[in-house]
Formats: sequence, structure tokens, C-alpha cells
Amino acid sequence: QKEVEQNSGPLSVPEGAIASLNCTYSDRGSQSFFWYRQYSGKSPELIMFIYSNGDKEDGRFTAQLNKASQYVSLLIRDSQPSDSATYLCAVILNDYKLSFGAGTTVTVRA
Amino acid sequence: DTGVSQNPRHKITKRGQNVTFRCDPISEHNRLYWYRQTLGQGPEFLTYFQNEAQLEKSRLLSDRFSAERPKGSFSTLEIQRTEQGDSAMYLCASSFESGLYGYTFGSGTRLTVV
Repeated sequence: QKEVEQNSGPLSVPEGAIASLNCTYSDRGSQSFFWYRQYSGKSPELIMFIYSNGDKEDGRFTAQLNKASQYVSLLIRDSQPSDSATYLCAVILNDYKLSFGAGTTVTVRA
Repeated sequence: DTGVSQNPRHKITKRGQNVTFRCDPISEHNRLYWYRQTLGQGPEFLTYFQNEAQLEKSRLLSDRFSAERPKGSFSTLEIQRTEQGDSAMYLCASSFESGLYGYTFGSGTRLTVV
């Protein structure tokens, strides 16, 4: 079983819609949870992190964490063409090693 | 401070050659991490340093790979006798103390072994 699994893409949404990305993790000891955005050919960029159950909102992005279900999600509201990228879910065990999922590619149609 | 800097951005080398990459972390960050990313996959942990001490090495880091961080500042990652399977993006990241709040990644070095 992989440490972090993401729903397989690609995910195509129309401009202005909500994009919903899901992620599950296997290790209950995971402490913090991250969403990175990666444009093609570029390095990952941290867009959200969450460590408590519930929702965390930052602009058009909302991260949701449910530790009982070992589930993390990311909602992108009012999706824009500039949101087209691969979104990587990551978890951290201990305080140094990130384990990443394979990523979900999102395409926002104008 | 312009973030984590990696050089070179791209490297093409012939199989069997040695290559060395450099990473300059954010100046106040005492932790430095190396990851490798292949096409269609998320980054995979290779190793990390706290100041100049290398505290963990992944099983992915074969004996052909060596990383150093002299004086706790910049770091180098050397691959000896490169193989085609080493072709990947090599990412460096840094953080202040704990990584619990996430890392800042550099732009990466894309290695192609021909």
C-alpha cells in the first residue's frame, strides 16, 4: 500500500467551477498535510498545509482534513485557467520527511 | 534572499560520467533536503541535513550517490558513474528547524543521462 494515494486524473473543469481533489494516507502518525501545485517543468510550490481536523481556507483554496478517515481534500473555487497544473498531496511523519502522492493533473477549460 | 537556488538548471551527461549539483538554501534555514522526481510521480525523499550533519539517507541513495553540506550552508549532490535510470529532476528544499510547516523547494536540476 502506498503511503499517499490521490484520485487519478486528469480532472477537467470549466472555468468558474469548483475543482475537488482527494487524497488518502496510510500512516495514522502523520502530523501535517500539504498541497503543492506543480506547473509543467517547474518545481512544487506549497499552496496549503493543515494539521488539525476540519477546514482551512486561503483565498479560493480550502483544505479539509479528516484524521479518523485518513483523508485530505483540496477544493479550488472559481477555477481559473491559471490553476491548470498538477496538484501533489503530501504528508509528513516525524518532522522532516515528506511523502508525496503521484499527483492529480487539473485542466481548467476556458 | 531569493529563495532556494539550484545549479545547474539542466544537465545532459553521457552514461558513466560523474555529475555534481549544487543547492543554496534560504540563508536562515538550517535544514536542507534532497528529493528526486521522475515523470508522472511525486518527489521521493533522498536525504536531509540539519546544519552540516547528514541525518538520514533513503535506500534510494545508492553508493553511487553522495551528498555533502560543508559548514552547514550550501549542499552538493554527486552522482558517480551515471546510469540512464538516474535521469530525473533533482529537487532541493530547505526549512527552518522542523519541516512540519512545509518546505520551500528550489527550481530543480533536470538530469538527462544519454
